[in-house]
Amino acid sequence: SQQGEEDPQALSIQEGENATMNCSYKTSINNLQWYRQNSGRGLVHLILIRSNEREKHSGRLRVTLDTSKKSSSLLITASRAADTASYFCATSHLAGNMLTFGGGTRLMVKP
Amino acid sequence: DAGITQSPRHKVTETGTPVTLRCHQTENHRYMYWYRQDPGHGLRLIHYSYGVKDTDKGEVSDGYSVSRSKTEDFLLTLESATSSQTSVYFCAIRDGRESEAFFGQGTRLTVV
Repeated sequence: SQQGEEDPQALSIQEGENATMNCSYKTSINNLQWYRQNSGRGLVHLILIRSNEREKHSGRLRVTLDTSKKSSSLLITASRAADTASYFCATSHLAGNMLTFGGGTRLMVKP
Repeated sequence: DAGITQSPRHKVTETGTPVTLRCHQTENHRYMYWYRQDPGHGLRLIHYSYGVKDTDKGEVSDGYSVSRSKTEDFLLTLESATSSQTSVYFCAIRDGRESEAFFGQGTRLTVV
């Protein structure tokens, strides 16, 4: 099984609403990262949160990290149709050099 | 955009044939990764490299081998392709364990 698991697997909302995606992981981490993937394209980095941080903001993105629960959440506020994409969390392992991804959340924002 | 290119972008091959995918970077990043992406499975790590000639297995390494003889190139080889290796393959690079990763555009491989 994969290191990270996103929840929900799919999310459909109206433009202007907030979207929240969750990620759970298994091992100890250096940091946790969120990526976005548009259909048929490579992944693009959104935001990185270190293991000693609890919350981080970047524009309309807000990420939280709870290392005691081994979980993270990504909040996109005031969503736009252009936010329609798949979102993945990735964990940078504390031991070793791996960067492993979860299964992703498919977000659809309806205009 | 980070200087990372994958080749070929598309390939159709027959079962049992060897296949090599190439990832080339111009960023001098230390770490390079190969992933496969399949519906319902997200991205799964195949192999990764943390320096020239330093490689290690990921989550789904069976049937794959890698080589990194130069900083800029990371090759993924399917010794004898099977239909289960039909997938989209992504290469990624990053400078350090505290850094973000940059992805190539992907290689769509079909094994018939």
